[in-house]
Amino acid sequence: EVQLQQSGPELQRPGASVKLSCKASGYTFTEYYMYWVKQRPKQGLELIGRIDPEDGSTDYVEKFKNKATLTADTSSNTAYMQLSSLTSEDTATYFCARLRGYGDFDYWGQGVMVTVSS
Amino acid sequence: DIQMTQSPSSMSVSLGDRVTITCRASQDIGNYLSWYQQKPEKSPKLMIYGATNLEDGVPSRFSGSRSGSDYSLTINSLESEDTGIYFCLQHKQYPRTFGGGTKLELK
Repeated sequence: EVQLQQSGPELQRPGASVKLSCKASGYTFTEYYMYWVKQRPKQGLELIGRIDPEDGSTDYVEKFKNKATLTADTSSNTAYMQLSSLTSEDTATYFCARLRGYGDFDYWGQGVMVTVSS
Repeated sequence: DIQMTQSPSSMSVSLGDRVTITCRASQDIGNYLSWYQQKPEKSPKLMIYGATNLEDGVPSRFSGSRSGSDYSLTINSLESEDTGIYFCLQHKQYPRTFGGGTKLELK
């Protein structure tokens, strides 16, 4: 069974950084791109970027290029997203999602809530 | 970026209703569109892919269609478990972009 297990909720101060994890199981980690998606309270979904776990190559949506850094550890089948210089605008739930061949997201992590507050 | 304009933003519906949600693409996306259902505090669930294909395990009362740049998700005979928020997603062009969402609530 495919599962994407994300790390727990985070409470961070403005200006801090946070690193979120997404541990994949039930499939070959390197065969699927992993995407990260942002959802702010009562708002829609916003794509952040993706990583190819096979070679570590990444693509970011322009507005997140200086905000998010995506990495992957093939030894532990885990994808990571680091968010830097946190502000209140980063308060959101973040999902990892697996991209399949059709181009859609067939499996999602459970989401992790990041709260930025002083 | 391709804009996906989703309507309506919310609907108050009754059990047994036929419900249609629409996304309009600002550029040609072919059939590179999928639909997701999201329950409160849960992650999105893939319902329809390739604009018209039902994902495995999704009830047959759900269907997807396309008319030009308009893409629709239809639920025939709404059941209580169908409430939630529905999003469309285009993946013709990077970056993939989502519709704004439609919240389905029971009257």
